[in-house]
Amino acid sequence: EAGVAQSPRYKIIEKRQSVAFWCNPISGHATLYWYQQILGQGPKLLIQFQNNGVVDDSQLPKDRFSAERLKGVDSTLKIQPAKLEDSAVYLCASSGVDRGDNEKLFFGSGTQLSVL
Amino acid sequence: SQQGEEDPQALSIQEGENATMNCSYKTSINNLQWYRQNSGRGLVHLILIRSNEREKHSGRLRVTLDTSKKSSSLLITASRAADTASYFCAPGGSYIPTFGRGTSLIVHP
Repeated sequence: EAGVAQSPRYKIIEKRQSVAFWCNPISGHATLYWYQQILGQGPKLLIQFQNNGVVDDSQLPKDRFSAERLKGVDSTLKIQPAKLEDSAVYLCASSGVDRGDNEKLFFGSGTQLSVL
Repeated sequence: SQQGEEDPQALSIQEGENATMNCSYKTSINNLQWYRQNSGRGLVHLILIRSNEREKHSGRLRVTLDTSKKSSSLLITASRAADTASYFCAPGGSYIPTFGRGTSLIVHP
């Protein structure tokens, strides 16, 4: 089966610019996650979608980050404006079950963002 | 959410040796998962152990779970240079999967 697709693979921008990341989950997976992974740390959850609805976005910096999942399939994560501390790898993951009993997650390769 | 804490933070061994890493968590779980992350890549699911299981094997991997101590261990036997990666545990239940800092394993050829 095809895995989780993410693009772009790398992105370099200057602070205060805007950037968007795209994710296409595994076909049929209802749950989609965006994680932020800063160098040397574990992935930190930013937002979880169940189909096209938001389940949890408590750790999403809503003043600058936004995410959507139109039609319950693809998702985009946007940062506007970017700060230096946003430099990280942004990982998208999907799973096929409801939140009630989380099963295994399938991750994309991530987008490495450098903010200069 | 519930985050696992991996220990040690770093582990360096020779090829052929066994590698053991541990995970501790704080509240009741339904299952616990282990993931591997190679440098510059996403996480890859390795193994899931349910709360009613004490030990599980998958190839060279052996996972144990002690729910009374709220801990798990991952053993990689006969390690290879290709096992060099970071390893994360994810305690599971009605939680959103969250991850600690992981254990960074380096296997020297």
